[in-house]
Amino acid sequence: ETGVTQSPTHLIKTRGQQVTLRCSSQSGHNTVSWYQQALGQGPQFIFQYYREEENGRGNFPPRFSGLQFPNYSSELNVNALELDDSALYLCASSLDRATLGHSPLHFGNGTRLTVT
Amino acid sequence: DQQVKQNSPSLSVQEGRISILNCDYTNSMFDYFLWYKKYPAEGPTFLISISSIKDKNEDGRFTVFLNKSAKHLSLHIVPSQPGDSAVYFCAALSGTYKYIFGTGTRLKVLA
Repeated sequence: ETGVTQSPTHLIKTRGQQVTLRCSSQSGHNTVSWYQQALGQGPQFIFQYYREEENGRGNFPPRFSGLQFPNYSSELNVNALELDDSALYLCASSLDRATLGHSPLHFGNGTRLTVT
Repeated sequence: DQQVKQNSPSLSVQEGRISILNCDYTNSMFDYFLWYKKYPAEGPTFLISISSIKDKNEDGRFTVFLNKSAKHLSLHIVPSQPGDSAVYFCAALSGTYKYIFGTGTRLKVLA
C-alpha cells in the first residue's frame, strides 16, 4: 500500500511569485485535503477535493486554488506569494469524504515553503 | 477564534509512567475527536479517535477520554516509552470535511 507522497519537500520562492505543490493520495483514497501549518501552530484547513471538485474550503483567499485529477492526485497552487505564506503544506487523503470520523486523514510528510 | 485548544505546549514524563495530554474545545456540535502524533520532518499520523456519543476509547497503550459537559478530552499513554516523544495534536471534525486542530503539545519521555 503506497502512502501519501508530496513534492517537492522544500521550496524557496520570492514574494509575488506563484507556486505549485503536488500530492499523490494513498491507494484507494478518493478524497484529498490540504492543510497549512505555520510555525508553532496546528494544521489549518485550506480545502478538500472529492472526485475532482472542491468539496469545502477554509478561511483562505482565492489566490489559494487547487485541482484534483482523475487518479485522485492533487495540486495546490498559490499565486502572488506573501511572506506569511511561509509554512509547511500538508496533503492528506481519506477513504471517502463522508467518513472522516471513521476513516481518518492520512498525511504526507509535507512541503516546506519559504517565501523571501 | 481558537475552537480547539491545547494549553500545555510541552510535557515531560519519565519512561514507564503515565502521560496525560489535554485538549479543550468550544463547539458542542463536533462529532468526532481525534489525536495525531507528529515526528519532526514527517506528517501527522493518526493515533486514536472517539465519537461524541462515547466517553472512552482504548487502543493498546492509548486511551482517549471525552467529557462533553466540560468540553474536554484527554489522551492517556500508559506506560510511556521514549519512542512516544513527539508533538501530539488533538483535532475535532467540523461538519463532514474539515478537521480543526489544536496547537499541539510536545511530549518528551525521559529514559
